Amino acid sequence: NAGVTQTPKFRILKIGQSMTLQCTQDMNHNYMYWYRQDPGMGLKLIYYSVGAGITDKGEVPNGYNVSRSTTEDFPLRLELAAPSQTSVYFCASSYKGSNTEAFFGQGTRLTVV
Amino acid sequence: KNEVEQSPQNLTAQEGEFITINCSYSVGISALHWLQQHPGGGIVSLFMLSSGKKKHGRLIATINIQEKHSSLHITASHPRDSAVYICAVGRGAGTASKLTFGTGTRL
Repeated sequence: NAGVTQTPKFRILKIGQSMTLQCTQDMNHNYMYWYRQDPGMGLKLIYYSVGAGITDKGEVPNGYNVSRSTTEDFPLRLELAAPSQTSVYFCASSYKGSNTEAFFGQGTRLTVV
Repeated sequence: KNEVEQSPQNLTAQEGEFITINCSYSVGISALHWLQQHPGGGIVSLFMLSSGKKKHGRLIATINIQEKHSSLHITASHPRDSAVYICAVGRGAGTASKLTFGTGTRL
């Protein structure tokens, strides 16, 4: 049972480059989330989705985009990387919102130089 | 003031000690989650509770809804318990439900 699979694990980007962080889950969860974790801070919600074709902004969406074409996949796109986007990114899923257990990917450590 | 406060921020324990990590929140919640973040970075769910107490092995989680407070206890701590423990509260309902996270306690 793979759970939530997130790739890549590490990445270094130059300012202005773009990239996509991949996230897929095999638990048929409706809800999927992207968070960023900065030193000394709690995880912050970037974007979330409550089902295929439905996405919405979280607390810190600027500089990111998402799509949800299938139940399984929820990629996060950085269009013009900036140093402020240096962070650790986590994808997560749950069956039905914050009242159900959350499952997290292994994280992506992104550095923008 | 953060909506979710954890204490202590850092904790050092001897093997075999009984450990308590506290979480206080200032908002109405639907559920409270305790998560463990391993040194390698992955995050796993330990407990989700909305009332009372839950136990899994050497871990015990309690919540007092009236006092807006939860505790995570580790009995007979072991070096493999070294991790960051994160409290998160679930707010809202339906499609608006989201988690708000504490900053973690490093054990």
